[in-house]
Amino acid sequence: DTAVSQTPKYLVTQMGNDKSIKCEQNLGHDTMYWYKQDSKKFLKIMFSYNNKELIINETVPNRFSPKSPDKAHLNLHINSLELGDSAVYFCASSQARAYTDNEQFFGPGTRLTVL
Amino acid sequence: AQTVTQSQPEMSVQEAETVTLSCTYDTSESDYYLFWYKQPPSRQMILVIRQEAYKQQNATENRFSVNFQKAAKSFSLKISDSQLGDAAMYFCAYRSGDSNYQLIWGAGTKLIIKP
Repeated sequence: DTAVSQTPKYLVTQMGNDKSIKCEQNLGHDTMYWYKQDSKKFLKIMFSYNNKELIINETVPNRFSPKSPDKAHLNLHINSLELGDSAVYFCASSQARAYTDNEQFFGPGTRLTVL
Repeated sequence: AQTVTQSQPEMSVQEAETVTLSCTYDTSESDYYLFWYKQPPSRQMILVIRQEAYKQQNATENRFSVNFQKAAKSFSLKISDSQLGDAAMYFCAYRSGDSNYQLIWGAGTKLIIKP
């Protein structure tokens, strides 16, 4: 069984469109994350939710909006896509407890290409 | 703020030999966790090894071991008996002991295995 799944794995779209990426984890974790990995492979945290509550909201354009309907799901909606949004987007989850290592488990990534 | 530095953008090693990837970090905290993640061409992020800062003993996982030097704020990864399947990007990451669970990532090191 897949622990952290993302759909779609590949997304090609035109500038200006609106798209969503879905993420689900079946690990029973209470914290989920969205990362962006650029062409230089640099990983940047975008958002984190703990029990459906937003706890990390890094400086990203407000065209990006995360939504967590329950603690097993964290979706990412992107409005008015731009060329610079092309990247690989990773979802991850962890069981967040202070003073434990809280290993993060990653999804397979979604490669977004904006034309 | 904490930072993680991987000074080697790319490393190469002959198959069956040993290679060490370097990672240094900057923090004023005494309680934290360090990780090495591997990202093969499939782009799946996989945890390789972790280290709790309060543990003096270096972590080991089969052919992977770390050299954790807390005073020097250094956390290098040693891969023994390198195999073709070890070819990947390797990321070093830091997590505060009581933070909001955010990982601070290094820029990554691309490891090439020569047959």
